[in-house]
Amino acid sequence: KAGVTQTPRYLIKTRGQQVTLSCSPISGHRSVSWYQQTPGQGLQFLFEYFSETQRNKGNFPGRFSGRQFSNSRSEMNVSTLELGDSALYLCASSLVLQRTGHYEQYFGPGTRLTVT
Amino acid sequence: GNSVTQMEGPVTLSEEAFLTINCTYTATGYPSLFWYVQYPGEGLQLLLKATKADDKGSNKGFEATYRKETTSFHLEKGSVQVSDSAVYFCALSGGSGNTPLVFGKGTRLSVIA
Repeated sequence: KAGVTQTPRYLIKTRGQQVTLSCSPISGHRSVSWYQQTPGQGLQFLFEYFSETQRNKGNFPGRFSGRQFSNSRSEMNVSTLELGDSALYLCASSLVLQRTGHYEQYFGPGTRLTVT
Repeated sequence: GNSVTQMEGPVTLSEEAFLTINCTYTATGYPSLFWYVQYPGEGLQLLLKATKADDKGSNKGFEATYRKETTSFHLEKGSVQVSDSAVYFCALSGGSGNTPLVFGKGTRLSVIA
């Protein structure tokens, strides 16, 4: 099976602009989660989508939003970019472990966003 | 809520040294436990997992045992290589909380020849 793909891999934007990142999960995975990774804050959970509905949300401002399509592909949008939004944005698709109902996540390579 | 605590890094070892990265967790019930590895410039890769107490996960020479009595899942490798240099994340799934996985802060490992 193909892994999780994210596009674009690298992006440079200017403060005040908006950006859309894309993620295609592993075939058959219906849950997609997004994370922000920075040197200072580490790995932080943004939100999770399952069957086109946002199921969980982290502690980020409303400038960060997302959606999921019927084919499970997901997009993440950041509006009014700030310098502090420079980060690696990681997408993960989830497999639910049958015995426990717990998640097992598989990550994409990430999108490196630089805001100048 | 759920939480994961990893030993602070960075950890620097010589090639062929023994590696231990400590991980303890707080969770209700019986979570599943994972170790992920992140090589420079890449996303996280699932390294190994354990889904019940006393399970041992293993992969690429790395091992970790799910210890319910000490709420721990320490990562070990008998002989590290330069290619093992990366950041290692301990994580759990299950218990209470509203995120699919809860991650530790990561431990950077540098292996020198």
